[in-house]
Amino acid sequence: ETGVTQSPTHLIKTRGQQVTLRCSSQSGHNTVSWYQQALGQGPQFIFQYYREEENGRGNFPPRFSGLQFPNYSSELNVNALELDDSALYLCASSLEPSHNEQFFGPGTRLTVL
Amino acid sequence: AQKVTQAQTEISVVEKEDVTLDCVYETRDTTYYLFWYKQPPSGELVFLIRRNSFDEQNEISGRYSWNFQKSTSSFNFTITASQVVDSAVYFCALSEGSSASKIIFGSGTRLSIRP
Repeated sequence: ETGVTQSPTHLIKTRGQQVTLRCSSQSGHNTVSWYQQALGQGPQFIFQYYREEENGRGNFPPRFSGLQFPNYSSELNVNALELDDSALYLCASSLEPSHNEQFFGPGTRLTVL
Repeated sequence: AQKVTQAQTEISVVEKEDVTLDCVYETRDTTYYLFWYKQPPSGELVFLIRRNSFDEQNEISGRYSWNFQKSTSSFNFTITASQVVDSAVYFCALSEGSSASKIIFGSGTRLSIRP
């Protein structure tokens, strides 16, 4: 186990709703990255937070937003859910936002109906 | 543009066979990092190796070995004497020097080891 935890494990929402996913980073890690993994595909980078500031963003619309708290835990918020948002959402923590190893959590499986 | 290609979608071998997973990458940066991750059915990505672009030495860790060749932009992964527990999806990934925050993943290779 990596020490990175995510909640909830599974979630079912309907189109148009909003969702918040949570991640607790490994002890001592100040950087959290979020990824979306659709079925049968590799993870795609959503964004990264470093010391409570966004530090890089992938090709995702503004309805995907995030927060990082002083204890370095993080939230991913998705507004106006669409069917294509159904995926496994992975959180990864690292010591610094460099090329250090990223430790992944078990993920949150989101289903949008 | 950066890209990681894993042309093998699925591989199935019998236990104890050797198997090589291919990875080809594209990047314009001279400084970059390459990774391999394992994703078992539980879903959690497990880090296997990180290699920077200035270190072309091959690496061996137990039954695992990695062959990095800049000339062909490849970073292949070999499992020797495969075991059923090696069954998983394996991802090759790239992180560029200009964008330290982002890891670009390939589409993965599903490896099945049959007893």
